[in-house]
Amino acid sequence: AIQMTQSPSSLSASVGDRVTITCRASQDIRNDLGWYQQKPGKAPKLLIYAASTLQSGVPSRFSGSGSGTDFTLTISSLQPEDFATYYCLQDYNYPWTFGQGTKVEIK
Amino acid sequence: QITLKESGPTLVKPTQTLTLTCTFSGFSLSTSGVGVGWIRQPPGKALEWLALIYWDDAKRYSPSLESRLTITKDTSKNQVVLTMTNMYPVDTGTYYCARARRGYCNSISCPNWFDPWGQGTLVTVSS
Repeated sequence: AIQMTQSPSSLSASVGDRVTITCRASQDIRNDLGWYQQKPGKAPKLLIYAASTLQSGVPSRFSGSGSGTDFTLTISSLQPEDFATYYCLQDYNYPWTFGQGTKVEIK
Repeated sequence: QITLKESGPTLVKPTQTLTLTCTFSGFSLSTSGVGVGWIRQPPGKALEWLALIYWDDAKRYSPSLESRLTITKDTSKNQVVLTMTNMYPVDTGTYYCARARRGYCNSISCPNWFDPWGQGTLVTVSS
């Protein structure tokens, strides 16, 4: 199975900060990667698919980039509602695999 | 509006079989490119992909759990059922179902994604 390694596992940031989360795949997965946001006690929500395509309704401060093995989720200006845990998911081959998550906390 | 909701027991005993039902609305599981997947999350831990069933009845399972999992669909009832045999306490967690979509494939990507998700159901395995 493809292993997805996210970094950092957690970070502290302030409202207005630019935040970057990375995800590295153990092999080439082309652009077959999505990003999900999960708030405490809630189901995950799709933010980005195909590495860089913003899901409808998701604010434009979220963006994704990368291909092959290295991917990035960027929040250009962190808002109070963005404090959550973020997961990457590779859908290149089965089994689809998630990263271990990045918790974004308030500084 | 697309919704999914998981249902099933909240408590199962070790060695028992878990049966979870995902009831959905707002889409059809007979539409090309559409599937329903199951994902779980132990308390305080990361998400884990379990299984997926597509509109054409293709099924995919996590290799580590494949011997214990069965996924089926009832298109007329808009339901997908996941059974997991021989439950252990380590199987405790929240189980989610989600609609899977397969996007347009080109030379650089053949995207798939889960959207939306159900609210999840907490299953505890304990005697």
